Amino acid sequence: RKEVEQDPGPFNVPEGATVAFNCTYSNSASQSFFWYRQDCRKEPKLLMSVYSSGNEDGRFTAQLNRASQYISLLIRDSKLSDSATYLCVVATNAGKSTFGDGTTLTVKP
Amino acid sequence: DAGVTQSPTHLIKTRGQQVTLRCSPKSGHDTVSWYQQALGQGPQFIFQYYEEEERQRGNFPDRFSGHQFPNYSSELNVNALLLGDSALYLCASSLPGSTPPYEQYFGPGTRLTVT
Repeated sequence: RKEVEQDPGPFNVPEGATVAFNCTYSNSASQSFFWYRQDCRKEPKLLMSVYSSGNEDGRFTAQLNRASQYISLLIRDSKLSDSATYLCVVATNAGKSTFGDGTTLTVKP
Repeated sequence: DAGVTQSPTHLIKTRGQQVTLRCSPKSGHDTVSWYQQALGQGPQFIFQYYEEEERQRGNFPDRFSGHQFPNYSSELNVNALLLGDSALYLCASSLPGSTPPYEQYFGPGTRLTVT
């Protein structure tokens, strides 16, 4: 079993839709959590950190459930430019980061 | 403010050869991590350097080694290349190494092809 698991998708949604991605992790020592987006053949870019109280950045909302070792990302009012692969990342305080294999999103007109 | 830079962008090597990849971190960052990303997978953690020492290491063989210089730049060396080493190699830098939450900023990567 992988340390960080994501539904690979692909998720194909129309513009304006709301879509949610889930991620589970197995290392209970994980302390920091992030979502990155990666466009085809490009480097990952930080989308947002995930805090225990949940956090929102515009159309994006991230949630963390430490008891269930579960992280989510909600995208509202999807845009064509949101099409990408979304990577869930967990990190220990020692500095080791583990990435999921990503969930692919395609937003269609 | 320069971001993370990596060189070269592309590289083709023959099985059994050795390769060195280079990375310069974002200004103000002192911690550098290296990742290997195969097609269709997420980045796999190779190791992390802080204060010129390897602080953490992933499940990679000793053929993978690295170095960090006093100016925080870093090198990744891979010896005895195998076909399976073909991948995108990503360097990421992060804020002062003693402070979580370790938000990382990635360079554009080096695409290594082993033939």
